[in-house]
Amino acid sequence: GQQVMQIPQYQHVQEGEDFTTYCNSSTTLSNIQWYKQRPGGHPVFLIQLVKSGEVKKQKRLTFQFGEAKKNSSLHITATQTTDVGTYFCAGFGSARQLTFGSGTQLTVLP
Amino acid sequence: DGGITQSPKYLFRKEGQNVTLSCEQNLNHDAMYWYRQDPGQGLRLIYYSQIVNDFQKGDIAEGYSVSREKKESFPLTVTSAQKNPTAFYLCASSVSTGIGYTFGSGTRLTVV
Repeated sequence: GQQVMQIPQYQHVQEGEDFTTYCNSSTTLSNIQWYKQRPGGHPVFLIQLVKSGEVKKQKRLTFQFGEAKKNSSLHITATQTTDVGTYFCAGFGSARQLTFGSGTQLTVLP
Repeated sequence: DGGITQSPKYLFRKEGQNVTLSCEQNLNHDAMYWYRQDPGQGLRLIYYSQIVNDFQKGDIAEGYSVSREKKESFPLTVTSAQKNPTAFYLCASSVSTGIGYTFGSGTRLTVV
């Protein structure tokens, strides 16, 4: 079945440093979505990417979808303490189900 | 405000008892889902429903049951057949399958 791998599992950064998490699918995806889960909270939808090679920005966050529609990345520029949480990618493919990666837990040190 | 309501937030049950988790949405979404999250792990799909009176098993459906009698409601029953029921359960909905999901705040179930 479809598998979505995400790395790294954990990332500690100093406030102001950049952060990147990577996502790889075992199969070609129709779309890929990104979610953020604050500690003790629930996942919140950030963005959906559909097109091959697509790049979208939300303030300091940049999302990319690979040309083959099998990989994606989330980059945060100049992290802030409010960025703390776990970032999940989720791929939607031929199985018609959304499969979540295991997440990257981001810690931002002040 | 539109959203998804899960209740209760915390639930304790004795081993061998069935328990039902509530999920209600007023977003007028057709699709609803149940996910399980274990500490430090991602979300695994238990069941999903694309329309009323229809639902499909996800990756880890064994030991769980659902119903979808109303568009707004998608309750999940954790049966005594579920080997490791202690987990964080998340309900979600979307306009249609594969579009961005809205999650409820979750129910933390502890079975002792």
